Amino acid sequence: KQEVTQIPAALSVPEGENLVLNCSFTDSAIYNLQWFRQDPGKGLTSLLLIQSSQREQTSGRLNASLDKSSGRSTLYIAASQPGDSATYLCAVVWVNAGNMLTFGGGTRLMVKP
Amino acid sequence: GAVVSQHPSWVICKSGTSVKIECRSLDFQATTMFWYRQFPKQSLMLMATSNEGSKATYEQGVEKDKFLINHASLTLSTLTVTSAHPEDSSFYICSAIEGVTLGQFFGPGTRLTVL
Repeated sequence: KQEVTQIPAALSVPEGENLVLNCSFTDSAIYNLQWFRQDPGKGLTSLLLIQSSQREQTSGRLNASLDKSSGRSTLYIAASQPGDSATYLCAVVWVNAGNMLTFGGGTRLMVKP
Repeated sequence: GAVVSQHPSWVICKSGTSVKIECRSLDFQATTMFWYRQFPKQSLMLMATSNEGSKATYEQGVEKDKFLINHASLTLSTLTVTSAHPEDSSFYICSAIEGVTLGQFFGPGTRLTVL
């Protein structure tokens, strides 16, 4: 069964820390992997999209890596800020699943000032 | 980036009424749109895949006669919750694809409360 798992489910850190969010997936035959941010009661904001041929993508303080062989992706957030507090979702499009995204359960991040 | 809008952003209705939610891709054409629902503190659950000009494909356990989906144009898909009941209260989110390589872009969601 194709599944996406995110650990930890919740994370609380002091402002300024660098942090890593983890995402694992059970089948390495992916088309792409996408990281999203969701604020309470809001829709999803796309943060980074990594194609299967890529190893990482960067946007500002965010860096996402992809290791297909081990079925893992990490989202690195540098110098965290209270405004980074949100739920972060990892989602995969598998090669045999058309364009359908399979989501992980998310990591709820709280950055304390 | 590509922008997807939803209307309304929230709606409160009486049990038994029908509610229509619109999903629009504002600056691109979306051949495929997706409808999700999300319960509090849970991840998104895919309800159906909507392709322009054809019938929607529903996920297992989703009643197609209750959740009517229409994707009549490349920029608009609608979800109608028919004869809504309190258990249909949820956060409904749509997404659209601007070509597979650009990933999915999500709308801001619609909060439905059925009294």
